[in-house]
Amino acid sequence: DAKTTQPTSMDCAEGRAANLPCNHSTISGNEYVYWYRQIHSQGPQYIIHGLKNNETNEMASLIITEDRKSSTLILPHATLRDTAVYYCIVRVGADRGSTLGRLYFGRGTQLTVWP
Amino acid sequence: KAGVTQTPRYLIKTRGQQVTLSCSPISGHRSVSWYQQTPGQGLQFLFEYFSETQRNKGNFPGRFSGRQFSNSRSEMNVSTLELGDSALYLCASSVTGGARADTQYFGPGTRLTVL
Repeated sequence: DAKTTQPTSMDCAEGRAANLPCNHSTISGNEYVYWYRQIHSQGPQYIIHGLKNNETNEMASLIITEDRKSSTLILPHATLRDTAVYYCIVRVGADRGSTLGRLYFGRGTQLTVWP
Repeated sequence: KAGVTQTPRYLIKTRGQQVTLSCSPISGHRSVSWYQQTPGQGLQFLFEYFSETQRNKGNFPGRFSGRQFSNSRSEMNVSTLELGDSALYLCASSVTGGARADTQYFGPGTRLTVL
């Protein structure tokens, strides 16, 4: 199964863009990249996902490199409420048999937004 | 649309007891997955249910079990509790759980403390 590598921690000034990198060099061609975040002791919150193309929603943008070996989550205007652990996950899907439905969480990146 | 709900939110038990946790998925979602989160091991997959059938299981002892009802609600049970079972137990639901782009949405979790 594909694994991801993320920096342990990052910080960002409030109002600035937060760019969170993720390496997934062993990703397969049909595997999606998902991002979740978890604010202390709460359930993980879905942010965004993508396959090949860049994606944007009301929360964030996801930039995936052309070779798909890495991606960057962008929070365009970080606020204090964006302080959380951010998880980059490669989603193994239905055609991989026994790993159906499973999400593999690494340790994520602790993003701290400071005033 | 209401999100994933989990009950109870907090629970204190003693070693040797058993516990049952409940999860109600988002309306229309038929797949429910359970995860355990501890400071030492992070987020780990327990099992997944779809249409009342367990179709995926993580690497946990047989003391951990679950089931899903016809209305897609799910319960997980832990028997003969050990101190190491103290954790945040998270439930996530998705429409089918199998597709690569089938997003899982998490509940707030149940915080279990074993004394």
